[in-house]
This record gives sequence, structure tokens and C-alpha cells, in this order.
Amino acid sequence: DIQMTQSPSTLSASVGDRVTITCRASQSISSWLAWYQQKLGKAPKLLIYKASSLESGVPSRFSGSGSGTEFTLTISSLQPDDFATYYCQQYNSYSWTFGQGTKVEIK
Amino acid sequence: QVQLVQSGSELRKPGASVKVSCKASGYTFTSNAMNWVRQAPGQGLVWMGWINTNTGNPTYAQGFTGRFVFSLDTSVSTAYLQISSLKAEDTAVYYCARKGYSYGSSLDYWGQGTLVTVSS
Repeated sequence: DIQMTQSPSTLSASVGDRVTITCRASQSISSWLAWYQQKLGKAPKLLIYKASSLESGVPSRFSGSGSGTEFTLTISSLQPDDFATYYCQQYNSYSWTFGQGTKVEIK
Repeated sequence: QVQLVQSGSELRKPGASVKVSCKASGYTFTSNAMNWVRQAPGQGLVWMGWINTNTGNPTYAQGFTGRFVFSLDTSVSTAYLQISSLKAEDTAVYYCARKGYSYGSSLDYWGQGTLVTVSS
């Protein structure tokens, strides 16, 4: 199976900060990568698919980039609603996998 | 609007079985594959596999073969996850999630989750 490794595991930031989360794949997944946001007790929400395509309705402060094995999720100006856990997920292979998650906390 | 509504929380004893339902509305059920994702308490997301809603053919991820069964009832636009011989480590929230229409999309709509607790 393809392993997905996110960094950092936890991130402390303030409202207005630019935040970047990295996701690395154990082998090339082309651009078959999605990012999700999950708040406590809620289902995940799709933010980005195919590495850089913004899901309908998602604010434009979220962006994704990368291809092959290295990917980033950037929040250009962190808002109070953005404090949550973020997961990457590859869907290149027969078997899909998620990263372990990055928790974005209030500094 | 698209909705996936899952059945309520379940409490089972070890060795028992449970069946979780996921009722879809707001779109043509057979147009999108349905996936299942597990999240143990305080842990991350684990993809369990998916079912082709046209053919009913399931695909299971490693670690989810044998005791886990995906099924459908297309007449009521519902997908099911059945887990048999339950173990304490099956305690988790189980989500159904639809694969999106858009080219290259992933899991665009999710159910609210069903908590399955396995305890004697």
C-alpha cells in the first residue's frame, strides 16, 4: 500500500497567519490527492481534489499544490472557522490511504 | 440537495454482528460509487473500501476482508456495512462517503457517521 505522511502533526497558529501543511506519498501518485477538513464530532469535508482543484463552495483562501510524491495545502489567511484537523488522501492506487492528520490549533 | 443519512449508534457485545445503513438522496444512487471509512476514537481516518452501486461489486481494503461486507438495496437507495464477529477494536465511527462526479473528484459527500461500540 502507498503510505501518506503528513507534517507537522500539530500546528499552532493565529488568525490571519498563512499556514502550510505538507503531505508526502511513499511512491508517485501523480495528482490523485485530496485534502479534507474535519471538525470535532463531524464528518470530514472535501476541500481540494486532484491536488489543486478547489471543491465547490470552499473558500478561496484554501489552495493545494504538488504532484508526484510531495503536496501542500495552504490556507492563505487563517480564519477562526479553520481550526480543525486536516487529512490528505491518495486515490491513485487500487487501495486508497489517508495521512495521519494535522491538527491546526489556536496559538 | 445531496444527503447521506446513516443509521444511529449501536452497542454490541463481542462476537455479535452489526449492520449500518447509509440512505442516499438528492442524486441518482447508481451513478456514484459508495465508500466506507472508519475512525477509531481519537484516531485518524482509515479507508475500508468501496462498492460499485451499478454492479454491487465490493472492493475491500487490506484489513477489512472476511468479517466486513458491503451491500446495497438500490430500490431504496441505501448502502449497508455489516460487521460480524465484532471485537473491541471495531469500536469506531463508520462513515459512508460518495465518490464525486467531477473528473478526478474524491469523496465529496459524507454521511454523519455511525458510532459502533463493542463492549461486554
